[in-house]
Amino acid sequence: DAKTTQPPSMDCAEGRAANLPCNHSTISGNEYVYWYRQIHSQGPQYIIHGLKNNETNEMASLIITEDRKSSTLILPHATLRDTAVYYCIVRGSNTGNQFYFGTGTSLTVIP
Amino acid sequence: GAVVSQHPSWVICKSGTSVKIECRSLDFQATTMFWYRQFPKQSLMLMATSNEGSKATYEQGVEKDKFLINHASLTLSTLTVTSAHPEDSSFYICSATRTGNSPLHFGNGTRLTVT
Repeated sequence: DAKTTQPPSMDCAEGRAANLPCNHSTISGNEYVYWYRQIHSQGPQYIIHGLKNNETNEMASLIITEDRKSSTLILPHATLRDTAVYYCIVRGSNTGNQFYFGTGTSLTVIP
Repeated sequence: GAVVSQHPSWVICKSGTSVKIECRSLDFQATTMFWYRQFPKQSLMLMATSNEGSKATYEQGVEKDKFLINHASLTLSTLTVTSAHPEDSSFYICSATRTGNSPLHFGNGTRLTVT
């Protein structure tokens, strides 16, 4: 079962940073946080993942709090093509190494 | 890198027939593949996990005799929906991963419609 909580929807103005929060208060020490997004009728797209350090790649940044109970995905300059459902997933030995999807956040980027 | 190909992208079949969906990892060896199902406006639901050369592990409530999974090689897994019924109509998505904490990479899904 999913171990994460995300707001159901968010809006963001085009060109601005989109900050998507995720709560994973029951995360354990060996569990990673993964972020994916899904555009309608396509398979999910991997964005980024991390354990405890902040991570950055060409798509986004991942900020994980020191207690690891929450994280934020940052899209630095949102575009219309970033409109999608974003999923935060916790995975590790405590989840049987499975990927369970929660309900995600539907992000709408507004022109 | 890390491309997963899923075929077919859509299929329409008659009630009572069987449908096979293929999932291939094109540029890496996938020790584990996962199969998901997604209904409209809902999240992805994990159906089963398959490891190369061993039997698939099914999630609670998923009928293993109806959804046959074969993971014959490190690059290919198949899902066969047997004796399909209209309620099996859904979006089926496969994913594959290397070992350890590598991320999952997803196929583009198969839209199954049973008439």
